[in-house]
Amino acid sequence: DIQMTQSPSSLSASVGDRVTITCRASQGISNSLAWYQQKPGKAPKLLLYAASRLESGVPSRFSGSGSGTDYTLTISSLQPEDFATYYCQQYYSTPITFGQGTRLEIK
Amino acid sequence: QVQLQESGPGLVKPSETLSLTCTVSGGSVSSGSYYWSWIRQPPGKGLEWIGYIYYSGSTNYNPSLKSRVTISVDTSKNQFSLKLSSVTAADTAVYYCARGTVFGVGMPYFDYWGQGTLVTVSS
Repeated sequence: DIQMTQSPSSLSASVGDRVTITCRASQGISNSLAWYQQKPGKAPKLLLYAASRLESGVPSRFSGSGSGTDYTLTISSLQPEDFATYYCQQYYSTPITFGQGTRLEIK
Repeated sequence: QVQLQESGPGLVKPSETLSLTCTVSGGSVSSGSYYWSWIRQPPGKGLEWIGYIYYSGSTNYNPSLKSRVTISVDTSKNQFSLKLSSVTAADTAVYYCARGTVFGVGMPYFDYWGQGTLVTVSS
């Protein structure tokens, strides 16, 4: 199985901050990476796929980059509605696996 | 707009079989483009992929659960279902159904999700 490790596990930031979350795969995944946002009591919401492609309707302040084993999710200017937990997911090979999550909290 | 809705018992006894159904609206489970999937999340923990079914009936399960999982599809009702046998307390989780989309080749990512349903395993 491909292990996905996110860092940090939690993060405190303020509205307007630029935030970066990292996801590292245990082997190369050729940009087969998606990012999700989950708010308490809600289902995850797809933000990006193919490492850097923005899902329709997702604000442009969200962006993704990376290659090989290392990927990042960047929020350029945090908005109040962005405080949530973020997960990465690899879909390069089966079984599909997720990172453990990064909880983004208000400072 | 595609919508998915899980349904089924919220309480299952240990050693019994968990059964859930996902009803799809605004799209068809018969579409050749998508992988109809189940994902679960234990309370306060992360996401675990359970498996998916393709419209043709072919399935792919997480090896960690494969011996206990069956996913099936009912095209006449536009539904797909999950059965998980011999459950224990470790199977207590919110269970999500989701639509999987493939970009190019490989496995899917998940672009539409149900709201999730909490299943508790307890006597």
